[in-house]
Amino acid sequence: NAGVTQTPKFQVLKTGQSMTLQCAQDMNHNSMYWYRQDPGMGLRLIYYSASEGTTDKGEVPNGYNVSRLNKREFSLRLESAAPSQTSVYFCASSEGTSINSQYFGPGTRLTVL
Amino acid sequence: AQTVTQSQPEMSVQEAETVTLSCTYDTSENNYYLFWYKQPPSRQMILVIRQEAYKQQNATENRFSVNFQKAAKSFSLKISDSQLGDTAMYFCAFSLTYGGSQGNLIFGKGTKLSVKP
Repeated sequence: NAGVTQTPKFQVLKTGQSMTLQCAQDMNHNSMYWYRQDPGMGLRLIYYSASEGTTDKGEVPNGYNVSRLNKREFSLRLESAAPSQTSVYFCASSEGTSINSQYFGPGTRLTVL
Repeated sequence: AQTVTQSQPEMSVQEAETVTLSCTYDTSENNYYLFWYKQPPSRQMILVIRQEAYKQQNATENRFSVNFQKAAKSFSLKISDSQLGDTAMYFCAFSLTYGGSQGNLIFGKGTKLSVKP
């Protein structure tokens, strides 16, 4: 039982390049989330998926797209990376019930030059 | 809109002593959850403890306990018998329990805790 896994762990991009961050969970959770964490800040929600087949914007969605591929996988895509997207990205999942405890992946450190 | 405030950017404590981290929040809702997450240098976010707003009894998990004051909108974390492994960033977080934002966490900016030998 690996929990929430993310790939890659580190990535360096040039401005304008695109990439997809992958996230998978093996806990049969309904809900999945993408956050970004910037220095001196708490985590901020980018997008979430309350259940398979649905996605919704969070607090900071501009410049990102997401895909809930199936119940296990939730990817985050940067179509044209910008230096302002340099951050640590966390994926999380939860059962989506009244328990509402989210379990986090190890994070991806992304640098955009 | 809900907000979470952690007023202590950094704290330190001697090993084996007790430390309390503060958190206040603002919401007009009556049903919600509060959490404390720990983020060690490895960056992994780890759930420490959870409190349901409808429960008057304070949650406890081994050496970790909370003081939940609903009227004051305060949710502090007490760590007893501090250990070197408790050194980490601690984030207070809030989530609603219903509606389209169910499960979405709103985080404070964190408190960096250092446990000294």
